[in-house]
Amino acid sequence: AQSVTQPDIHITVSEGASLELRCNYSYGATPYLFWYVQSPGQGLQLLLKYFSGDTLVQGIKGFEAEFKRSQSSFNLRKPSVHWSDAAEYFCAVGGGATNKLIFGTGTLLAVQP
Amino acid sequence: GAGVSQTPSNKVTEKGKYVELRCDPISGHTALYWYRQSLGQGPEFLIYFQGTGAADDSGLPNDRFFAVRPEGSVSTLKIQRTERGDSAVYLCASSFSANEQFFGPGTRLTVL
Repeated sequence: AQSVTQPDIHITVSEGASLELRCNYSYGATPYLFWYVQSPGQGLQLLLKYFSGDTLVQGIKGFEAEFKRSQSSFNLRKPSVHWSDAAEYFCAVGGGATNKLIFGTGTLLAVQP
Repeated sequence: GAGVSQTPSNKVTEKGKYVELRCDPISGHTALYWYRQSLGQGPEFLIYFQGTGAADDSGLPNDRFFAVRPEGSVSTLKIQRTERGDSAVYLCASSFSANEQFFGPGTRLTVL
């Protein structure tokens, strides 16, 4: 079955600290992988995506993610978190003819001053 | 340019009523998706349109849910005989290619 697991429901980091959000997926074919961010009352904004090629992808707002096929993971990282990064983060997998997305349950990030 | 828009932003209705939720995709995007996001969950796929036709409706939970896209642009999600369990945020996304989807702000549906 196709699925996405985000094991951390809630994470708190201090401003300026590094961040890593975990994502594991189960998908029968070559996956397209995405990270989205959702701020309160806002729609989903795409941070970055992986389709093929270089397994380390760069996104907006200083985020990056690394695709590790052997671990079925696509973890999101940022070297120095800003207070404005507080939001909910969703990992998603897609592909096939329709590219319908399967989302994880999300990780809520809080940033302490 | 204009993004995906959804109306209304909020809808409160009573159990058993009929509701329509509207999605205006980005101009020129041929693919359109509906998702439903319940509290504390990630979005769940409902239906996918390519042009005017529903290419994949496997996510619709039951026959009370129906969606149309008659001219290949605006789409309407229709829910009959609403139930309290239908309360959620309904998200629409559009895409030009099969790769990247752009999401609207959502419609928050509350069924009393």
